[in-house]
Amino acid sequence: AQKVTQAQTEISVVEKEDVTLDCVYETRDTTYYLFWYKQPPSGELVFLIRRNSFDEQNEISGRYSWNFQKSTSSFNFTITASQVVDSAVYFCALSEPYSGNTPLVFGKGTRLSVIA
Amino acid sequence: GAVVSQHPSRVICKSGTSVKIECRSLDFQATTMFWYRQFPKQSLMLMATSNEGSKATYEQGVEKDKFLINHASLTLSTLTVTSAHPEDSSFYICSARPYSPLTGVANYGYTFGSGTRLTVV
Repeated sequence: AQKVTQAQTEISVVEKEDVTLDCVYETRDTTYYLFWYKQPPSGELVFLIRRNSFDEQNEISGRYSWNFQKSTSSFNFTITASQVVDSAVYFCALSEPYSGNTPLVFGKGTRLSVIA
Repeated sequence: GAVVSQHPSRVICKSGTSVKIECRSLDFQATTMFWYRQFPKQSLMLMATSNEGSKATYEQGVEKDKFLINHASLTLSTLTVTSAHPEDSSFYICSARPYSPLTGVANYGYTFGSGTRLTVV
C-alpha cells in the first residue's frame, strides 16, 4: 500500500529564514510519481512540482527547491528566504503512473507560518 | 491547461436538506473523477472514485447512500450530500487526471477543482 508521511505538523519561521518540509513515502511500485501542493487559506490546491521515480535530480524553481532521495524514500521541499506569502499548508503526495483511475495519496500536510 | 470547474465554491444549508456539488472538466475528458473531503486542519481524504457510465467506488467508511455520485458524461461528475447534518460540514474537492482519447493514456498530473466549503446549520 502507498503511504506518505509528513512528520512536521506545524512549522513557524521568521521571514527570510530557510525552511525544509520533510516528506517520506512508501510504495511497492518501482515507477511512481511524487507531488507537492500548496494550500493557502482559500482552500484551492496549488500545484508546485511533479517528479517521477526515475528522475532523482534535484530541482530548483526560484526560492523553492526539492531534494529527492530514493535511497531514503524522501522528497523534501525547501523554501529559501521565506516570505509571509509562503504561509500555507503544504502537502506531499504520491501516485502510481499510467492509469487514469488511481488517485493521489496525500500526506497529512505541514502548516507553515512565516512571521514578519 | 486542463481545468476542472467546481461549483458552488461555498454553500450553507439547513440540516436535513441535500446539496449538489458539480465538477466539470472544461477542456479535457475526465473518465474518472476523484472526490476528496477535508475537515479543518486535516488532510485530504479520498471519499470515492467516480467512473463515467458506471457506479462509483467508495472508500471504506463512506456511506454511498449519503454521498451520491453521478458521472453521467465525460465532462461532468456530481456529488450530492443527502440529508446533510452538521457533521458533514467540510471542504469537498474533486480531482481528475486528464485522459487522451487518442492514446488512452492518462496525463501524469492531476487537476483539482477549487473546492466547495459546505456548512450545514
